[in-house]
Parts: sequence; structure tokens; C-alpha cells
Amino acid sequence: NAGVTQTPKFQVLKTGQSMTLQCAQDMNHNSMYWYRQDPGMGLRLIYYSASEGTTDKGEVPNGYNVSRLNKREFSLRLESAAPSQTSVYFCASSSSGGSYEQYFGPGTRLTVT
Amino acid sequence: GQQLNQSPQSMFIQEGEDVSMNCTSSSIFNTWLWYKQDPGEGPVLLIALYKAGELTSNGRLTAQFGITRKDSFLNISASIPSDVGIYFCAGHFSGAGSYQLTFGKGTKLSVIP
Repeated sequence: NAGVTQTPKFQVLKTGQSMTLQCAQDMNHNSMYWYRQDPGMGLRLIYYSASEGTTDKGEVPNGYNVSRLNKREFSLRLESAAPSQTSVYFCASSSSGGSYEQYFGPGTRLTVT
Repeated sequence: GQQLNQSPQSMFIQEGEDVSMNCTSSSIFNTWLWYKQDPGEGPVLLIALYKAGELTSNGRLTAQFGITRKDSFLNISASIPSDVGIYFCAGHFSGAGSYQLTFGKGTKLSVIP
């Protein structure tokens, strides 16, 4: 099992460009999450998908959109990148049924110039 | 939103020493999780706690779910160089939707050989 995989690992964008971060999990988990991590900060939730077909905003959703493509895949899209979106992005997944244990991918390091 | 206060922010210890860190909240949490993050990697789940007073070990790591349900503690015994990293606490607030977690800002651990 690969667990949670993310692509790309690194990305540099110019202000105004768009891109999609991909995430997939092979643990048959129902819930998936996107976080951003900035220096000195904890992990902040951008969007999450409690189950296939549903998505909800987290703490910092502005400037992002998400798609739960199927049970395995959850993508994060930046329509018009801004320097404030320079960050490390992590995808995570968890099973349902009362377990709050989230398992994280290796991250995507994004720089917006 | 809910906040977790994690302390200390950083610590330098000699190899072989024991380490203690904690996480507190003003609200009641029904789950506490402890993660470790190595540089350039995603957080890895170390220990999950689900009951007040619960004490759980994972090798040299021991974590406790505080009786008040507003705090949690992580101890590392006989530290070794590979313990270096950032340790995050995370909790599920009783009033939070779905399976959302709140994260502390982390404790950065440095081990001096």
C-alpha cells in the first residue's frame, strides 16, 4: 500500500497562473482533507470531503476549489495563484465510523512568484 | 475557531534525556492525536487517544489524555538523534463537524549527540 500520494512534489507558479494539486489514497478511506502549512503555523484546513460526493469549506478556503473525483482521489485547484498561497500543501485521509486518525501524504511545496 | 496551545515551542536536549511536551485547550476534546513531522515530509501519526485518563505507549513514546479532556501530554524516554523533528498535537473538538481536527503549532525537538 502506498497510503496517501500527492503530485507534484514541487511547483513554482507565477502570480495569476492556475494549477491543480492531485491526491490519491489506497486505504479505502471515506474522508479526505487538504491542509496548508506555513512556517511557525500548525496545519490549517482548506477543504475537506467527508465522503464521496461531498465537499465542505475548512478554516482557510478562499482562493481554492476542490473536487472529490471518486473515493480514492481528491484534488485541490488554485484558479489564480497569489504569493500568499506560497505554502506546503498536505492531503490526508481518514476512515469513517468514529475514527479521527488522519494519515498524511508527503506534501507539495508550492512557490508563487 | 478552536485553538490548541502547544508547549514548549522548541527544545534542545542531550541524547539519552527524557522529553515532555503538552497541549492544552479551553474546550473539551474527545480525541487527542500526536504526530511527528520530519523535515520535508508529511506528519506521521504516533499515538491516538480516545478516553479521558487513557495512557498509551508506542515504543519509547507515551501519551496521556488529560482527565479534564482539555489537555494531553507526550513523553519521549531516552531520546536518540532520530527523535529530531516537529511534534504536533491534534484534537477533535466535540462540537466540530465531521472528522475535522484542530492542530497545535508544534514543538520542535533538537537532540544533541
